[in-house]
Amino acid sequence: NAGVTQTPKFRILKIGQSMTLQCTQDMNHNYMYWYRQDPGMGLKLIYYSVGAGITDKGEVPNGYNVSRSTTEDFPLRLELAAPSQTSVYFCASSSSEAGSYEQYFGPGTRLTVT
Amino acid sequence: SQKIEQNSEALNIQEGKTATLTCNYTNYSPAYLQWYRQDPGRGPVFLLLIRENEKEKRKERLKVTFDTTLKQSLFHITASQPADSATYLCALDDDGGFKTIFGAGTRLFVKA
Repeated sequence: NAGVTQTPKFRILKIGQSMTLQCTQDMNHNYMYWYRQDPGMGLKLIYYSVGAGITDKGEVPNGYNVSRSTTEDFPLRLELAAPSQTSVYFCASSSSEAGSYEQYFGPGTRLTVT
Repeated sequence: SQKIEQNSEALNIQEGKTATLTCNYTNYSPAYLQWYRQDPGRGPVFLLLIRENEKEKRKERLKVTFDTTLKQSLFHITASQPADSATYLCALDDDGGFKTIFGAGTRLFVKA
C-alpha cells in the first residue's frame, strides 16, 4: 500500500496563476480532507469529502475548489493564486467505519506564491 | 468554537528521561482525542487515540491520559530517545463528528 500520495512536492506560482494539487489514496477510505499548515500554526481544514461526489467546506475554503469523482482521488484547485495561499498543503484520508477516526496523511505539497 | 492549546515553547529533555506534553481544550468535552507525530517536512503520523470514557491509554513507551474535568490530556514518552525528537500534535473531534481540529503542536528535542 502506498497510502496517501500527493503531487507535486514543491511548486512556485506567480500571483494570479492556477494549479491543481493532486491527492490519491489506496486504502479505500471514504473520508478525505485537505489541510493547510502555516509556520507555527495548526492544520486548518480547507475542504473535506465523505465519499465520491460529495464535498463540503471546511474552516478556510476561500480561494480553493475540490472535486471527488472517485473514492481514490481528491484534487484541490487554486484558481487565482494569492500570496496568502503560500503554505504547506496536506491531504489526508480516514475510514468511515464506526469508531475509526485516525487520519492518514500524505507527504505534503509546499507551495509558494510570489 | 473549540480551541486547543499546546505549549508553543519547545521541550528539551535528556535521553532516558520521561517527556510530558500537555494539551488543553477550552470548550465542549470531546468524544475522543488523538496524538500525532510530525517530523520536519513530513505529514503527521497517528500515534494514539483516547476516548472520553477512558482515563489512560498506553502503547509501548507512550502513555496518554485524559482528564475531562481539567479539560486536559497529557502525553508521556518514557525512556525518551533522540529519535523521539519531533513535533507532537494534539487533535480533537469537531463536536462529536469525524472531522478533527488540530493544535499547533509542541516541538520535543531529546538530547543524547
